[in-house]
Amino acid sequence: NAGVMQNPRHLVRRRGQEARLRCSPMKGHSHVYWYRQLPEEGLKFMVYLQKENIIDESGMPKERFSAEFPKEGPSILRIQQVVRGDSAAYFCASSPGPGGSSYNEQFFGPGTRLTVL
Amino acid sequence: SQKIEQNSEALNIQEGKTATLTCNYTNYSPAYLQWYRQDPGRGPVFLLLIRENEKEKRKERLKVTFDTTLKQSLFHITASQPADSATYLCALEGGSGGYQKVTFGTGTKLQVIP
Repeated sequence: NAGVMQNPRHLVRRRGQEARLRCSPMKGHSHVYWYRQLPEEGLKFMVYLQKENIIDESGMPKERFSAEFPKEGPSILRIQQVVRGDSAAYFCASSPGPGGSSYNEQFFGPGTRLTVL
Repeated sequence: SQKIEQNSEALNIQEGKTATLTCNYTNYSPAYLQWYRQDPGRGPVFLLLIRENEKEKRKERLKVTFDTTLKQSLFHITASQPADSATYLCALEGGSGGYQKVTFGTGTKLQVIP
């Protein structure tokens, strides 16, 4: 059973370009979470999605950032017009959703390291 | 505002000893508390979950306690090994409206010295 997949693992962009980060959850998981992590800092929640719905985007900057989780295909975190401050590791996690005894145990992907030049 | 505090100082211990990591929280009533391990350059890996009505949970060499009065969790690794060296993250899960949001602490770096 493949774990959470993220690609690309490393992404380099120049200021002003767009960054697209992809996340394929574990098989059978319908809940996806995106986090940002800066060096020596903790995971900062960005957005929580279920299939075709954004449940909580309270951690996402209001401008330039968007996320989706379509009915088919991976979840996408999109950053438009990137700036140097967007450089970070972006982690995706998935969970099976309500119903299990520990339904919000989160399974993390390996992360995408975004570098903005 | 809600706050989760983990010791930002790295913890160095001798191999074979018990490592104890602390997670304190304020302005929070979590339903669950989770512990994760994160190695450099990798995503966190779930270790243990403890519910608000549980005092203690064990898994192999790991033990977690949860004191909702003190608003504190302790994470113990007994008979520590160099392979246990990593950053350990505490995460609180709780919320309303049918959504149990998970919030992570900043983590404590553990170094087990051979």
